[in-house]
Amino acid sequence: NAGVTQTPKFRVLKTGQSMTLLCAQDMNHEYMYWYRQDPGMGLRLIHYSVGEGTTAKGEVPDGYNVSRLKKQNFLLGLESAAPSQTSVYFCASSYGTSDTGELFFGEGSRLTVL
Amino acid sequence: SQQGEEDPQALSIQEGENATMNCSYKTSINNLQWYRQNSGRGLVHLILIRSNEREKHSGRLRVTLDTSKKSSSLLITASRAADTASYFCATDKAAGNKLTFGGGTRVLVKP
Repeated sequence: NAGVTQTPKFRVLKTGQSMTLLCAQDMNHEYMYWYRQDPGMGLRLIHYSVGEGTTAKGEVPDGYNVSRLKKQNFLLGLESAAPSQTSVYFCASSYGTSDTGELFFGEGSRLTVL
Repeated sequence: SQQGEEDPQALSIQEGENATMNCSYKTSINNLQWYRQNSGRGLVHLILIRSNEREKHSGRLRVTLDTSKKSSSLLITASRAADTASYFCATDKAAGNKLTFGGGTRVLVKP
């Protein structure tokens, strides 16, 4: 099993450009998450999904959009990239029960916005 | 603001010593989890402790939870150079469905 796979792993954008990060999981998990990690800030939740066709805002959703058209995929979009969105982005998934169990993380996507 | 706050921010120990780090949180939780992150890699789940549990062990890891003080500790016994990593606590609030992470403790184990 591949687990959680993120593409691309690295990307450099110019201010104002758009891009999509793709997350795919092969564990049949219901819940999926996008976090960003900045130095000294830990991980902050951007958006999450508790099932196919559903999405919800996390702690820092502004400037991002997401879609969960298929259960195994969770896409994170930046419509107009800003330097403040330079970060490492992590996708995670979990089985999904009455509470949040173990999260399985991808290896991260490092985004630089110039 | 972050739900979980780790202390200390950084820790340097010799191989064979024990490493202890603490996590404090603010609101009621369903569970508290600890994760490890090696440099440049994704996070890996270590252990989950539920709000009705006080202590849990997994190999060389020991986690305690004190809900009255809203705090948890992670103890790594007989540390190894391979334990060098950042350690994060994460809380699942009573409302559920998502984890909130702290800023992490960077642990350096010197051989």
